[in-house]
Amino acid sequence: GQQVMQIPQYQHVQEGEDFTTYCNSSTTLSNIQWYKQRPGGHPVFLIQLVKSGEVKKQKRLTFQFGEAKKNSSLHITATQTTDVGTYFCAGRNNAGNMLTFGGGTRLMVKP
Amino acid sequence: NAGVTQTPKFQVLKTGQSMTLQCAQDMNHEYMSWYRQDPGMGLRLIHYSVGAGITDQGEVPNGYNVSRSTTEDFPLRLLSAAPSQTSVYFCASQAAGGMGYTFGSGTRLTVV
Repeated sequence: GQQVMQIPQYQHVQEGEDFTTYCNSSTTLSNIQWYKQRPGGHPVFLIQLVKSGEVKKQKRLTFQFGEAKKNSSLHITATQTTDVGTYFCAGRNNAGNMLTFGGGTRLMVKP
Repeated sequence: NAGVTQTPKFQVLKTGQSMTLQCAQDMNHEYMSWYRQDPGMGLRLIHYSVGAGITDQGEVPNGYNVSRSTTEDFPLRLLSAAPSQTSVYFCASQAAGGMGYTFGSGTRLTVV
């Protein structure tokens, strides 16, 4: 079945440093979504990427979808303490009916 | 507009007991899913539904049943609870062709 792998599992950064998490799928995806989960909370939808090679930005966050639609990345510029949480990618299969989550990257930011 | 409502928020079960986790959404979303979240393992799909009357298995369906008799409700039944089912359970919904899942606040289940 479809597998979505995410690295790294954990990342400690100093406030102001950049952060990147990478996501790889074992199969081609119809789209990829990114979520953020604060400690003790529930996942919150950030963005969806659909097109091959697509790049989208939300303020300090940049999301990319690979040309082969099997990988994606999330880059945060100049991290802030409010960025703390776990970032998940989630890939939707080509049939469109299943959304498979990666294991997540837990971001910790030292002030 | 409450979004996705999950009840209960916390539950302790004894091994072998059965129970139903409730999930309701008021956004008229077609897609609904149940995930479990265990430390270090991300979110794993248990069952999902693409519309009323239609359900299918996800990655880890064993020990769980679902039904979708209405668009709004998607209950998850634990048939005979086991300690391995100790987890946080999230229900989520999305409009068909929509942009992302809306998650409920979760049910923290402990099986002793």
